[in-house]
Amino acid sequence: NAGVTQTPKFQVLKTGQSMTLQCAQDMNHEYMSWYRQDPGMGLRLIHYSVGAGITDQGEVPNGYNVSRSTTEDFPLRLLSAAPSQTSVYFCSTSRGETQYFGPGTRLLVL
Amino acid sequence: KQEVTQIPAALSVPEGENLVLNCSFTDSAIYNLQWFRQDPGKGLTSLLLIQSSQREQTSGRLNASLDKSSGRSTLYIAASQPGDSATYLCAVQRGGGFKTIFGAGTRLFVKA
Repeated sequence: NAGVTQTPKFQVLKTGQSMTLQCAQDMNHEYMSWYRQDPGMGLRLIHYSVGAGITDQGEVPNGYNVSRSTTEDFPLRLLSAAPSQTSVYFCSTSRGETQYFGPGTRLLVL
Repeated sequence: KQEVTQIPAALSVPEGENLVLNCSFTDSAIYNLQWFRQDPGKGLTSLLLIQSSQREQTSGRLNASLDKSSGRSTLYIAASQPGDSATYLCAVQRGGGFKTIFGAGTRLFVKA
C-alpha cells in the first residue's frame, strides 16, 4: 500500500514549457486535490475532484488543467510554465474528513 | 472569505518545555479543524482532527482545543523533544475532504 505517490520529485522548466505532474493513489479514495505551497504561505487549493470524470477549480486554478479519468490518477498539467508557478506541489486524497498527502513535487521555472 | 492565521511564525524552545501554538480563523462556520505536521521536504501528516461540535482532542503529548465562537484553536505540546522539530499547520474545512484552508504554519525548533 503506497498511499499517495507523486512524480517527479523535482523538476526544472523553462518559461513557456509545458509539463504534467503525476499523482496516483491506491486507497480507492474518491476525493483528490492539488495544492501549491509557497514560502510564508499556507497550502492553496488549485483543483480538486470528487470522483472519476468530475473536477472543479479551487482557489488558484489559472495556468493549470486537470482531468480524472480513473479513481487512481489525478494529473496536474501546466500549460505554459511561468516563474510565478515556481512552488512545491502537493497532491492529496481524502476519505471523509481525513486527508492524506503525497511527498510533493518541487518545481522551479526559470 | 475564510482566512487562517498562525502565531508565532517560528518558535525555538529548549527540550522539555511545554509550548502552545496558536491558530485563528475568520469564519466560524467550519466543519472541522485539523493540525498537521510537516517535516522538511516531506508531505503533511495529520496529527489531530477536531469536529466542529467538539472542544478538544488529545493524542499522546499533543492536545488541541477549539473555540468556534472566538475563531481560535491551540495546539499544546507537552515536554517537547528534538524530534518534535517541524512545521505545524492548522487547517479548517467547511465540508468534505478537499476544500481545506491552511494557515502558513509555525516552524518549531526544539533544542537538545
